Amino acid sequence: AQTVTQSQPEMSVQEAETVTLSCTYDTSESDYYLFWYKQPPSRQMILVIRQEAYKQQNATENRFSVNFQKAAKSFSLKISDSQLGDAAMYFCAYNPGTYKYIFGTGTRLKVLA
Amino acid sequence: DGGITQSPKYLFRKEGQNVTLSCEQNLNHDAMYWYRQDPGQGLRLIYYSQIVNDFQKGDIAEGYSVSREKKESFPLTVTSAQKNPTAFYLCASSMATRGVRGGYTFGSGTRLTVV
Repeated sequence: AQTVTQSQPEMSVQEAETVTLSCTYDTSESDYYLFWYKQPPSRQMILVIRQEAYKQQNATENRFSVNFQKAAKSFSLKISDSQLGDAAMYFCAYNPGTYKYIFGTGTRLKVLA
Repeated sequence: DGGITQSPKYLFRKEGQNVTLSCEQNLNHDAMYWYRQDPGQGLRLIYYSQIVNDFQKGDIAEGYSVSREKKESFPLTVTSAQKNPTAFYLCASSMATRGVRGGYTFGSGTRLTVV
């Protein structure tokens, strides 16, 4: 079965520091898509970054970058220069190219001033 | 601005009642989805629709029903058969031509509580 595991229920980071959120997944597919979504206190899910499995280059979006290790089935999110507005739940999600996502259970990120 | 509107933001249901959650999008997306979010769990798919007048069950469809009479609208009815309906419900949409490769656009959610 395809699964997504986020083993860190909660993480904390000092403002302006860097934090890495972990995500592992299980699949037998070779072509798929991976995503990180942010859910702030407003509870609206916002797409942070996505990675296509056939691309070896790690995706980056401003202060957000991923470390995609296909063989290890690992997809971690690095947030650099953390800001107070980064405080949120972060969900890792896997998609094999169908209409269905498989979400992890989320990591709550606290940013300390 | 284009987006997804979910209403109401908060909804209270009495035992034995059916309630309907609204989801409207003006993004011209073909596909729409309903997810349920519970504490400590990831989002779980209830129903999805790729085109008007067609929809498919997700992983936890029991006790729920949907309709897709218009491209812009995908309402979710929580029936009395759903024994544990208290949860946060999220509606999402995506372009059909790209599947979900570009990611979903989500609404701001409806919090349903049984009273």
